[in-house]
Amino acid sequence: GIQVEQSPPDLILQEGANSTLRCNFSDSVNNLQWFHQNPWGQLINLFYIPSGTKQNGRLSATTVATERYSLLYISSSQTTDSGVYFCAVERGTYKYIFGTGTRLKVLA
Amino acid sequence: EPEVTQTPSHQVTQMGQEVILRCVPISNHLYFYWYRQILGQKVEFLVSFYNNEISEKSEIFDDQFSVERPDGSNFTLKIRSTKLEDSAMYFCASRTYGGATEAFFGQGTRLTVV
Repeated sequence: GIQVEQSPPDLILQEGANSTLRCNFSDSVNNLQWFHQNPWGQLINLFYIPSGTKQNGRLSATTVATERYSLLYISSSQTTDSGVYFCAVERGTYKYIFGTGTRLKVLA
Repeated sequence: EPEVTQTPSHQVTQMGQEVILRCVPISNHLYFYWYRQILGQKVEFLVSFYNNEISEKSEIFDDQFSVERPDGSNFTLKIRSTKLEDSAMYFCASRTYGGATEAFFGQGTRLTVV
């Protein structure tokens, strides 16, 4: 089956710093989403981005489907950005395969 | 904005007991899902449901699990006889149809089996 790898696995930032999270997948996909899991375990939809670029406030995402990767950019990070970021992909069947996640901690 | 809602947010149950986790998908959605996340691990697919039947299930989804859409609005996951290893976060999701569409996830139910 398709493999989804995220990097880095862990990231510590000072408040105000920028960061780039990466999601690599081993085969072509029809769908891709990014999620933020907050410290309470809730899963927050960030982007639905099977291709192209989207922006939402301080967050933006780019998926280059032909090269099998997606990037999530966080600018001017805040302590509330802390948590785990997951990408999830679908190929063929209508179910998401989640990546291993990037654990982000933003220090005040 | 429409959202998927899950209840309860946290449930504690004794080993061997039956539990039912409830989800209200977005009203015009046709595909429904349950996913599971054991603490510290990644989110895993359990089952998909369309047209009142299971479309696909993972090997985790054994005979102890069942899903139902009892009344046209709720979507439930039942675990018949819980085990310690069923302790996890359970997420419900829905989408309009199975193609190139966004899946909307609920905020999860944390199940603790003691």
